Amino acid sequence: SQKIEQNSEALNIQEGKTATLTCNYTNYSPAYLQWYRQDPGRGPVFLLLIRENEKEKRKERLKVTFDTTLKQSLFHITASQPADSATYLCALDENSGYALNFGKGTSLLVTP
Amino acid sequence: DADVTQTPRNRITKTGKRIMLECSQTKGHDRMYWYRQDPGLGLRLIYYSFDVKDINKGEISDGYSVSRQAQAKFSLSLESAIPNQTALYFCATSAPEGNIQETQYFGPGTRLLVL
Repeated sequence: SQKIEQNSEALNIQEGKTATLTCNYTNYSPAYLQWYRQDPGRGPVFLLLIRENEKEKRKERLKVTFDTTLKQSLFHITASQPADSATYLCALDENSGYALNFGKGTSLLVTP
Repeated sequence: DADVTQTPRNRITKTGKRIMLECSQTKGHDRMYWYRQDPGLGLRLIYYSFDVKDINKGEISDGYSVSRQAQAKFSLSLESAIPNQTALYFCATSAPEGNIQETQYFGPGTRLLVL
C-alpha cells in the first residue's frame, strides 16, 4: 500500500539553528512533491513544490531536496525563528494526477 | 477578502441531524476538494470535483455527499451525522497545469462537533 511517512515526534530546536524535516514514501512514483505549513486550527498553506527531475529547490530560508532513489524529501529551514513554529506537511501526487496525498505532518517548535 | 471561504466556521450538531458545510472560492479554479482532518490521521480526501459536471469519491466518502452548484461553490453534506464525523473539515481548490496537480489553496476550515 502507499505510504507517506513523516516523523510523528515533534522537533524542538533553538532559534537560529537549522531545522530539518523528513518525508519518506513508499509505492509512489510522484511527478512532484509539495510542502505545506499548517498553524493550529487553520488551513495548510503551500510553501514549495519540487519536481522529480529537480534535486533541490530554495525559497528564502527554505530548502527542499528530493531523492527519488531513496524515496525521500528533506525540508530545511535555516536560521529558524519562533515564528516558524508550526506543523509541516508533505504531499505527493497520485500517479493519475487527480489528487494529492498528504503525510500526517511533523510539528516544529522553535524556542528563543 | 479570503480567496477560499467556508461556512460555518464552527458547528455543533446532534447525532442523526443533516448538516451542510459550504465552500466558496474567488480564485477561478475548476478543481475543488473536501478533506477532513483528525488528530493523528492527517488530511484525508472525502470528495473532489474537477468541474461542475464532475464529482468523484475520495478515500473516505461513506456518510458524505457533495454538490457542485457552480464553478465557485462546492458543498459537503452529512445526511445523518454521527459522532465519529467530529473533525476539522477543509475545502481546497487547485488549477493544475495539464494533468499535473499543482498547488492547493485551502479554506480556513470548519470545526464540526457531533454529539
